[in-house]
Amino acid sequence: DQQVKQNSPSLSVQEGRISILNCDYTNSMFDYFLWYKKYPAEGPTFLISISSIKDKNEDGRFTVFLNKSAKHLSLHIVPSQPGDSAVYFCAASAQKGAQKLVFGQGTRLTINP
Amino acid sequence: ETGVTQSPTHLIKTRGQQVTLRCSSQSGHNTVSWYQQALGQGPQFIFQYYREEENGRGNFPPRFSGLQFPNYSSELNVNALELDDSALYLCASSHGTGLRDTQYFGPGTRLTVL
Repeated sequence: DQQVKQNSPSLSVQEGRISILNCDYTNSMFDYFLWYKKYPAEGPTFLISISSIKDKNEDGRFTVFLNKSAKHLSLHIVPSQPGDSAVYFCAASAQKGAQKLVFGQGTRLTINP
Repeated sequence: ETGVTQSPTHLIKTRGQQVTLRCSSQSGHNTVSWYQQALGQGPQFIFQYYREEENGRGNFPPRFSGLQFPNYSSELNVNALELDDSALYLCASSHGTGLRDTQYFGPGTRLTVL
């Protein structure tokens, strides 16, 4: 049972344009959401998070949007840069869950010059 | 500040053998979580250790076990290896077990079971 889904395995975006990565979840107990970025041969790196009491969180070029009614979150990267090329994972956690992160399958983002 | 380190980087074992993977947490972190990442999938939570006690477990059989030491480093042990255990094993450390305690991941150990 995949509780967190990233339906796009890959995404290709022109440098300077906006990258939008999407994530859907099914468990209504999730109340904290995160995005991690992963380069080859490295562990995932924390990018940005959002609590369920918010619908938007910004950090520089990165913005995460949360739509609780649709059980959907998205990560916007503006403007996209070549160094953003990586695999992006969304993850979710519930207050009662010992900080257990439930990850999606990942989306490979490629930024073209 | 030293980040999360894991050893070994790569490991090849045969079915039925036992393996021990090691993780050194980031300085100041008292919580370690272990994840299994199969090819093409996201990481899956195995278990978490907080101050040397298991603090939650995912859907993994008992042949997956762990330890956390007084210096907060940790081991993951897998007995009776199966072919499906081939995966990247990731360790993550954090300041605590709260939702907002960011988990910082190590580079992982790539385990191949033949």
